[in-house]
Amino acid sequence: QKEVEQDPGPLSVPEGAIVSLNCTYSNSAFQYFMWYRQYSRKGPELLMYTYSSGNKEDGRFTAQVDKSSKYISLFIRDSQPSDSATYLCAMRKAAGNKLTFGGGTRVLVKP
Amino acid sequence: DAGVTQSPTHLIKTRGQQVTLRCSPKSGHDTVSWYQQALGQGPQFIFQYYEEEERQRGNFPDRFSGHQFPNYSSELNVNALLLGDSALYLCASSLFGQENEKLFFGSGTQLSVL
Repeated sequence: QKEVEQDPGPLSVPEGAIVSLNCTYSNSAFQYFMWYRQYSRKGPELLMYTYSSGNKEDGRFTAQVDKSSKYISLFIRDSQPSDSATYLCAMRKAAGNKLTFGGGTRVLVKP
Repeated sequence: DAGVTQSPTHLIKTRGQQVTLRCSPKSGHDTVSWYQQALGQGPQFIFQYYEEEERQRGNFPDRFSGHQFPNYSSELNVNALLLGDSALYLCASSLFGQENEKLFFGSGTQLSVL
């Protein structure tokens, strides 16, 4: 079993809809949680960074962390075709530690 | 402000050959990490370099080795290439020791082993 599980999708939504993404993990030692966006043949781009449990909002993006359930989420409001990409969750145990990634969810936003 | 730069962007090798990939970190960063991303999967950690030393290593064989130079740039070397080494190799840079350390990735080197 992988340490971090993520539904591979694809997740197809109409333009303007809310995109809901999530990851589950098994290791309670993870403290720092991130969401990256990756376009085809490009490197991952950091979208959201959260420490421990709670919510964080940045523009159209909201990240949630529930450590008690070992579950993290990313919501994208008012989705645009340019949001079509693969979204990767990542987490680490402490500062300086390696990142452990989920497998990524492919998102398609249709005009 | 230049971000993380990697070279080359694409590379084709045959089994048994050796390859060297290069990375220059984002300005102000001193730590470089390398990740391997197979098609349709998330990146897997290879190793991390800080102060020219390997600080952490993932579950990769000794065929994978690296180096960091005094200017913080880094190389990834892979010997005796296997077909399974075909992947996107990503370099990420960060500032060591920051509590809210954030990794920034380059666009990667796509390695194809034939």
